[in-house]
Amino acid sequence: GDSVTQMEGPVTLSEEAFLTINCTYTATGYPSLFWYVQYPGEGLQLLLKATKADDKGSNKGFEATYRKETTSFHLEKGSVQVSDSAVYFCALTDYGNDMRFGAGTRLTVKP
Amino acid sequence: GAGVSQTPSNKVTEKGKYVELRCDPISGHTALYWYRQSLGQGPEFLIYFQGTGAADDSGLPNDRFFAVRPEGSVSTLKIQRTERGDSAVYLCASSLGRGSSSYNEQFFGPGTRLTVL
Repeated sequence: GDSVTQMEGPVTLSEEAFLTINCTYTATGYPSLFWYVQYPGEGLQLLLKATKADDKGSNKGFEATYRKETTSFHLEKGSVQVSDSAVYFCALTDYGNDMRFGAGTRLTVKP
Repeated sequence: GAGVSQTPSNKVTEKGKYVELRCDPISGHTALYWYRQSLGQGPEFLIYFQGTGAADDSGLPNDRFFAVRPEGSVSTLKIQRTERGDSAVYLCASSLGRGSSSYNEQFFGPGTRLTVL
């Protein structure tokens, strides 16, 4: 079945460092891909999405490009801030039914 | 506008008891989803409703778990004879449903943390 594999954490960076969190997927169809973020004590929030190959999702300085040839959707940010500390989840849905999530990557940004 | 709401936010129960968890989706969203998130893991799909009917319940772990959505809005997840392994955060999400260009974007509630002692 469809699945998502994302980079294991935790990841600790200094403020203004470059961030990459890897995500690869397996799907039989043409899924939509998502990154969700869970800040401490809060619920899941959609960070960005891409619905077809070569689409780039972006929000709050984060970007991810839907790469069909490598079945990847890596999350990047050029300069992280302390406020970006959270758990990040890569996810996919094929027909809008169930969302399949990765295990999550905990990011800690130190000042 | 109001987002997805879930009640209670926390529920502590004893092994063997029955619990009900409630979800109020975003108004106008026809699709509703339940997920379970264990500590340190990503959410795991349980069941999906399109309107009043359960379109996909393949994620329910066993027959102790059941969910309803009788009027196509509020949903209740019911767990019978709770076990310690049922302890997790239960998340609800809703989306516009099929026919919309954004049909597969799901909006999540804050979750109900269930603890079975």
